[in-house]
Amino acid sequence: GAVVSQHPSRVICKSGTSVKIECRSLDFQATTMFWYRQFPKKSLMLMATSNEGSKATYEQGVEKDKFLINHASLTLSTLTVTSAHPEDSSFYICSAPSGRVYNEQFFGPGTRLTVL
Amino acid sequence: AQSVAQPEDQVNVAEGNPLTVKCTYSVSGNPYLFWYVQYPNRGLQFLLKYITGDNLVKGSYGFEAEFNKSQTSFHLKKPSALVSDSALYFCAVLTNTNAGKSTFGDGTTLTVKP
Repeated sequence: GAVVSQHPSRVICKSGTSVKIECRSLDFQATTMFWYRQFPKKSLMLMATSNEGSKATYEQGVEKDKFLINHASLTLSTLTVTSAHPEDSSFYICSAPSGRVYNEQFFGPGTRLTVL
Repeated sequence: AQSVAQPEDQVNVAEGNPLTVKCTYSVSGNPYLFWYVQYPNRGLQFLLKYITGDNLVKGSYGFEAEFNKSQTSFHLKKPSALVSDSALYFCAVLTNTNAGKSTFGDGTTLTVKP
């Protein structure tokens, strides 16, 4: 199956700093990618849909200025957590549709963000 | 609105016994249903999907799922559980066929004991 990578896998930062997380589709092109946030032992919360060449579509309640998304190419989407605070600590996962009809999604391995 | 429900937060089975992880759905139109598995500190992996055709869908690692239209269910099953099957399982429904956007259930933690 297709591979989606995320970098970094783990990041620890101080409160008030910004953190960038990269999501790459390694062997296929993805005009759309999704960003999720997952709390411990909880479900996935869809944060936004990243669209190549256009603005991201954010889910209700997600702060656009807090979670900046850029889809710079057909294989790369980035999520920047700006002015991070301890409550932003979470597991962030990206995914991309397979491109086949009735797409399943290919997920990245996730990024564990800890804000001190 | 499309939605899925996983009524069990936790399922415990003994190794070698059959397992079932439940999922019910609510959709307008044809349901496109998926199961994913997540191991600790990892992303999700696709297991299987139902689009049309045979109600019994076979997927990875010996898992299968039965689509039941009258009961609006899509339960995940395996005839003989392994300890290595212990993980978090998500049922999902495709909400936007063009964009591939899906709605996920809350997840069910499966624990298989030796």
